[in-house]
Amino acid sequence: NAGVTQTPKFQVLKTGQSMTLQCAQDMNHNSMYWYRQDPGMGLRLIYYSASEGTTDKGEVPNGYNVSRLNKREFSLRLESAAPSQTSVYFCASSESGKSGYTFGSGTRLTVV
Amino acid sequence: AQRVTQPEKLLSVFKGAPVELKCNYSYSGSPELFWYVQYSRQRLQLLLRHISRESIKGFTADLNKGETSFHLKKPFAQEEDSAMYYCALLTGNQFYFGTGTSLTVIP
Repeated sequence: NAGVTQTPKFQVLKTGQSMTLQCAQDMNHNSMYWYRQDPGMGLRLIYYSASEGTTDKGEVPNGYNVSRLNKREFSLRLESAAPSQTSVYFCASSESGKSGYTFGSGTRLTVV
Repeated sequence: AQRVTQPEKLLSVFKGAPVELKCNYSYSGSPELFWYVQYSRQRLQLLLRHISRESIKGFTADLNKGETSFHLKKPFAQEEDSAMYYCALLTGNQFYFGTGTSLTVIP
């Protein structure tokens, strides 16, 4: 039982390049989330998907897009990367908020 | 608007000493609060939930609605407790996280 799997673990991009961060969960959870973690700012919600087929903006959605491909997978896309998007990105899933989130191991992204 | 405040970015205590990580919240509804922990270079893990009134790894947290606080406590800190701790408020199915407190337990 892998839980929440994120790929890649590390990535370096040049400004203006695009990439997609992948996330998959095998717990049959309905809800999935993308957060970014920055020093001194904690975790901030980028986008979430309450159920398959739905996505909604979080606190910091600008510069990102998401796709809930199916119940298992929730990808985050940076169309034109900027240095301000240098961060650690965490994917999470939950059956219900009350049960808490299960987090992936994170993707460390550097945009130069 | 809901908000979670963790006033201490860094906290250092000696091994065996009591530790308290502070968390205050602002929320107009009935709060559901959680503590998450992140050990060095690892993923965040759920530590405890106020609704469970549980003790995990010796940590406890009591919701104080009068003071709007949910401080995390442990009577005797251990070296393996060194980590980043995040307080989180659940509204709907979303968590709002505090900025985190980095705890260092000095041997």
